[in-house]
Amino acid sequence: QSALTQPASVSGSPGQSITISCTGTSSDVGTYNYVAWYQQHPGKAPKLMIYDVTNRPSGVSNRFSGSKSGNTASLTISGLQAEDEGDYYCSSYTSSSSLHYVFGTGTKVIVL
Amino acid sequence: QVQLQESGPGLVKPSQTLSLTCTVSGGSINNDDYYWTWIRQPPGKGLEWIGYIYYSGSTYYSPSLKSRISISVDTSTNQFSLKLSSVTAADTAVYYCARGLTGVTMIVSGFDPWGQGTLVTVSS
Repeated sequence: QSALTQPASVSGSPGQSITISCTGTSSDVGTYNYVAWYQQHPGKAPKLMIYDVTNRPSGVSNRFSGSKSGNTASLTISGLQAEDEGDYYCSSYTSSSSLHYVFGTGTKVIVL
Repeated sequence: QVQLQESGPGLVKPSQTLSLTCTVSGGSINNDDYYWTWIRQPPGKGLEWIGYIYYSGSTYYSPSLKSRISISVDTSTNQFSLKLSSVTAADTAVYYCARGLTGVTMIVSGFDPWGQGTLVTVSS
């Protein structure tokens, strides 16, 4: 199965904004608004940060926001904080073959 | 609030069947808003969707694993289970269960919450 493409790492200083991209195809990100983003700290389970491209679950900081343009979705973290350091994964529903769901390759966010 | 907890052997021999159970607490698995999901993560690698099941028993599996997996649900015990047969070292991973969120379209829009995960090692 083909994973969604993310940059291996993104870094920023505290207080800055960073954006993580997630590139798919017309079979997933480009057609469906079912893109989600997860934050994962070492040794922990992933945590849902964004769903349906732009929606934040209750309790997630409004410093996290999502968007989409064409086949690429993006997660922006504003006012970067040390606790934001970790791995981030995007995911999407897909109509490719009989696969229903696909994750991104993952991005390590480094707070300088 | 809903919580999920994986359970099962941490060590499985090659060619044998991996069996895991996810216990759902704080809410009923008998709910038409959710898909009950298995996801895995090999050590140091990314996430892989394995498959999910609806409370009615309808299942959707990853094509790459479809010939080897079976996901079942037991609404009487509020549990769902994963069986993966003919395992190899490549199946060594942390296995997570999670709740898939859906809306009126019945398409999963995200997974929340997740269990803490359980490491399964395939080795003789």
